[in-house]
Amino acid sequence: AQSVTQLDSQVPVFEEAPVELRCNYSSSVSVYLFWYVQYPNQGLQLLLKYLSGSTLVESINGFEAEFNKSQTSFHLRKPSVHISDTAEYFCAVSDGAKKLTFGTGTRLTIIP
Amino acid sequence: EAGVAQSPRYKIIEKRQSVAFWCNPISGHATLYWYQQILGQGPKLLIQFQNNGVVDDSQLPKDRFSAERLKGVDSTLKIQPAKLEDSAVYLCASSLNRASYEQYFGPGTRLTVT
Repeated sequence: AQSVTQLDSQVPVFEEAPVELRCNYSSSVSVYLFWYVQYPNQGLQLLLKYLSGSTLVESINGFEAEFNKSQTSFHLRKPSVHISDTAEYFCAVSDGAKKLTFGTGTRLTIIP
Repeated sequence: EAGVAQSPRYKIIEKRQSVAFWCNPISGHATLYWYQQILGQGPKLLIQFQNNGVVDDSQLPKDRFSAERLKGVDSTLKIQPAKLEDSAVYLCASSLNRASYEQYFGPGTRLTVT
């Protein structure tokens, strides 16, 4: 069985400040890790993914996440946030069967 | 490219009534998923289709929930009869095929059961 823990349900951050959204997972098999973003009144969108290779993955809008196998983590970071980053962020893990298990989400609020 | 379409966007019903949700996946996507997202929780997979066949329905409450994808394109999820705890957002997603890790989500249907 696999599971995902997102300890922070809400994270308020001032605009242009850095942010880290934490994600820890547990799985008995090889894992594939994802971050999805959900903007208000919209569906989930894939932000970035780790399947294999480099443990540091980046998105097109400045977010990055690093797969840390020893700490079973896949934290999401951005060095400088913008108002448009306000959204809910979900970490997810998949095993070889492509079944996604999601965390409970972190609501990121950007303070002007 | 059109995204995943869902309707209705919102639905309010009384407990013990029936309700149906519709999903049209991205054209050419063979795999379709239905998720339930209860407030404050992450999405939970209810059922996965590959074309018109069910791949995984292990978390679908089959005594009241049913889903079909008869022609391997659009899909319908039904709840009959609804309970208060069924209040949630129902998300539909599709992917190119079972080998694809990337799922594309629709905007969801928000169901309120009173």
